[in-house]
Amino acid sequence: AAGVIQSPRHLIKEKRETATLKCYPIPRHDTVYWYQQGPGQDPQFLISFYEKMQSDKGSIPDRFSAQQFSDYHSELNMSSLELGDSALYFCASSLRRLAGEHEQYFGPGTRLTVT
Amino acid sequence: EDKVVQSPLSLVVHEGDTVTLNCSYEVTNFRSLLWYKQEKKAPTFLFMLTSSGIEKKSGRLSSILDKKELFSILNITATQTGDSAVYLCAVKNNQGGKLIFGQGTELSVKP
Repeated sequence: AAGVIQSPRHLIKEKRETATLKCYPIPRHDTVYWYQQGPGQDPQFLISFYEKMQSDKGSIPDRFSAQQFSDYHSELNMSSLELGDSALYFCASSLRRLAGEHEQYFGPGTRLTVT
Repeated sequence: EDKVVQSPLSLVVHEGDTVTLNCSYEVTNFRSLLWYKQEKKAPTFLFMLTSSGIEKKSGRLSSILDKKELFSILNITATQTGDSAVYLCAVKNNQGGKLIFGQGTELSVKP
C-alpha cells in the first residue's frame, strides 16, 4: 500500500539559510499535518491543512510557512534557519472528509541539520 | 492546556515478559486516543481508541481506553526483542484533528 512520502530524507543547511520540505500524502487523503521532533522529544504539532486550507496552527515559528497544493501535496518552507531548528520533521496524512475518526499515518520524516 | 502523560518513561524487560504501558490525558473536547510505535524512524500506527471499555487487539498487543478516568493502557504479552522501541500515546481533540503526544515510553526487551 502507498504510504506518505517525504523529501528530502536528509538536509543539511547553514544558519540563516532557507529550506523547503515536501510531503506527498497517501492517495485520496485530504488532510496533511506537520510535526517537529527534536532529539529525545515527542513530536510537536506545527500546522495542518484540510482540502488545501489551513485548518489548525500549533507551535510553528513565524519564520516558517506552509501550504497544501491542488494535488494535496504540502510544502513546509523554513527561512532564517537557526541551530534550534535541527530536528526530524514528520508529515502525516489522514482522510477527514468521511464521517468518523481516522488515524494519521506518518511519513519517514526529513532530518534537518542546521550548522 | 491539553496534556498527555505516559508512564513509565523507560522500561527494561526480558523476552517473554508481559508489559503494561500507561497513558493519561487531560484534553478539552477529546475525540480519540492513538498508540504508535517508533523505532528511530517514523511513528507506526498501532491502535486508535474512541470508546471506553472496548479492547483493541492485534497479535500480542492490546489496548483499552477508560474515558471516565482519562487513561489508556497498552499491553504487550510474550515480549520479543523486536518490540524494543519508543511507544507514543497521542490524543486527538476537536481542534482540527492535531495529535497531542505524550513523552513516550522507551521499552527495551533483552534476550
